[in-house]
Amino acid sequence: EVQLVESGGALVQPGGSLRLSCAVSGFTFSNYRMHWVRQAPGKGLVWVARINTDGSYTSYADSVKGRFTISRDNAKNTLYLQMSSLRAEDTALYYCAGQQYDTPVDYWGLGTLVTVSS
Amino acid sequence: DIVMTQSPDSLAVSLGERATINCKSSQSVLHNSYNKNFLAWYQQKPGQPPKLLLYLASTRESGVPDRFSGSASGTDFTLTISSLQAEDVALYYCQQYYSLPLTFGGGTKVEIK
Repeated sequence: EVQLVESGGALVQPGGSLRLSCAVSGFTFSNYRMHWVRQAPGKGLVWVARINTDGSYTSYADSVKGRFTISRDNAKNTLYLQMSSLRAEDTALYYCAGQQYDTPVDYWGLGTLVTVSS
Repeated sequence: DIVMTQSPDSLAVSLGERATINCKSSQSVLHNSYNKNFLAWYQQKPGQPPKLLLYLASTRESGVPDRFSGSASGTDFTLTISSLQAEDVALYYCQQYYSLPLTFGGGTKVEIK
């Protein structure tokens, strides 16, 4: 059974930092490009970042570039998102998601909630 | 960035009737190597992550009922639910996976009339 389990979401003050994790099982993690996608309360889906299969290439949405870092540990089947200089507008449910080359994003976790507020 | 414009924002359809959702991309998402559109449709129910329904604009994901279908014409895409069932009440999103950043339409809320 495919499972993606995010963790690390919390209430954090503006300017603070947080690290999200996504533990994967049920598929060959090292064969999948991995993404973080977020959804603010009552809003739509917004792509945040992507990392390629071996971690050598990353890409970010302009809104998080320079503040967020995506990484992965293929030995631990785990994806990470290091978030710093957090803003109120970063408040959202953060999903990790998996995609094979030239295919749609087909594996999604249940999400972890990040709330940025004083 | 490729902008995905989805319409309508919401629609109410009677059980058993047809529901049609439109999505337009600001530029082509046709992948030349495959001659296919890199366009997906997702269904999201409250408290759940998105679920892949269709990819390559019209290919149903395994297990998706055949009342869901997709079509493409240039940069215009359509998701059709041929006979709306109660379990189809949800938000629907189109998404292009042709290039980064991945971009989603704003979503369409489907309800029962």
